Amino acid sequence: EAQVTQNPRYLITVTGKKLTVTCSQNMNHEYMSWYRQDPGLGLRQIYYSMNVEVTDKGDVPEGYKVSRKEKRNFPLILESPSPNQTSLYFCASNRAGYIQYFGAGTRLSVL
Amino acid sequence: KQEVTQIPAALSVPEGENLVLNCSFTDSAIYNLQWFRQDPGKGLTSLLLIQSSQREQTSGRLNASLDKSSGRSTLYIAASQPGDSATYLCAVPQTGANNLFFGTGTRLTVIP
Repeated sequence: EAQVTQNPRYLITVTGKKLTVTCSQNMNHEYMSWYRQDPGLGLRQIYYSMNVEVTDKGDVPEGYKVSRKEKRNFPLILESPSPNQTSLYFCASNRAGYIQYFGAGTRLSVL
Repeated sequence: KQEVTQIPAALSVPEGENLVLNCSFTDSAIYNLQWFRQDPGKGLTSLLLIQSSQREQTSGRLNASLDKSSGRSTLYIAASQPGDSATYLCAVPQTGANNLFFGTGTRLTVIP
């Protein structure tokens, strides 16, 4: 079954404690992306990757890092989380020009 | 920068009605447009993707149209059902990149 898998689904942490949200896809897609969703602001792209070792900033990259060492994985790293990064995060993957498949989301709270 | 607007923000209809959701975008230089569905607390499910060369795309009771020159797309839902209740989002990519710009969505409630 075609899937984008994010872990964890829920995470509560404290300011400054580094965390990683993992994302994995089983469709051999070249493209992968991270989004955050906030009430009233909608979905905004954080980073995307067009292939292994190729990443680029989206609309709201500040405070986030990503890496793409393998085609199937695209982790999102928060080196020093702050309360304004409390949000619902989605990972997505796609072939160029085709529909994006989304993960189920990770709800992050930074206290 | 691309801006995507969806009107109305919320819509409530009785079961069986046909309805239209609207999406407008400011930069017409797009190569496709996608409509998604999001259920509360869940991820997004792609419903339809219209390439820039197409004028419409159909899937079951859903029909999406695209008018690039006027910067508009509509999603038509026929014979609505309570299971159609969800938030519907449209999104357009930035030309030459994989950066999707999303509208803030229309929250649809279909009343039995």
